[in-house]
Amino acid sequence: DAGVIQSPRHEVTEMGQEVTLRCKPISGHDYLFWYRQTMMRGLELLIYFNNNVPIDDSGMPEDRFSAKMPNASFSTLKIQPSEPRDSAVYFCASSLRGHGGGEGYTFGSGTRLTVV
Amino acid sequence: DQQVKQNSPSLSVQEGRISILNCDYTNSMFDYFLWYKKYPAEGPTFLISISSIKDKNEDGRFTVFLNKSAKHLSLHIVPSQPGDSAVYFCAASNFNAGGTSYGKLTFGQGTILTVHP
Repeated sequence: DAGVIQSPRHEVTEMGQEVTLRCKPISGHDYLFWYRQTMMRGLELLIYFNNNVPIDDSGMPEDRFSAKMPNASFSTLKIQPSEPRDSAVYFCASSLRGHGGGEGYTFGSGTRLTVV
Repeated sequence: DQQVKQNSPSLSVQEGRISILNCDYTNSMFDYFLWYKKYPAEGPTFLISISSIKDKNEDGRFTVFLNKSAKHLSLHIVPSQPGDSAVYFCAASNFNAGGTSYGKLTFGQGTILTVHP
């Protein structure tokens, strides 16, 4: 398996523009997570899905953020409108059975978002 | 509210010596703890985990210790190698809670480990 695939790897956009981040989880994994990494807060959970259904979106910062998982092999995280404080690295991760009792998640390589 | 804290932003160690990375947590309901390693421009990768029913778990050069009464865990790397230089994240979960807590990992801020040759 190619692992968790995220696109794009880098995104530079102007404030106010819509940004869409994409993720393809590992085939067969039933959980998908979106995390954001910043220096101040480390890795923050934004939202996660189980069998394509959103389970917990309490980490989504504002209504400007939305996430979807239309099928088991694809998820998007959208920011509209984007702001400079959204600049961060966004990670997607997938797993089997939650964190599998210690097996952990498999993370993608991340999307580095810069909003100018 | 930061439920998992790594108070040392960085650690520098000589090759061959022991590296000790520390992590504290506040949520007494956490029952599973994991360590991840992250290289630049890559996603974090799972390293080692421990259940709250244990106080130690070992995997090669890596050992994780859990002190539940102190709500503290540590990762020991012996001997340290230059290839261990990376950011290390501590994570915790309430694995047995069910509901929206199941499967959800809470991460610390990370510690940058540098191992000098």
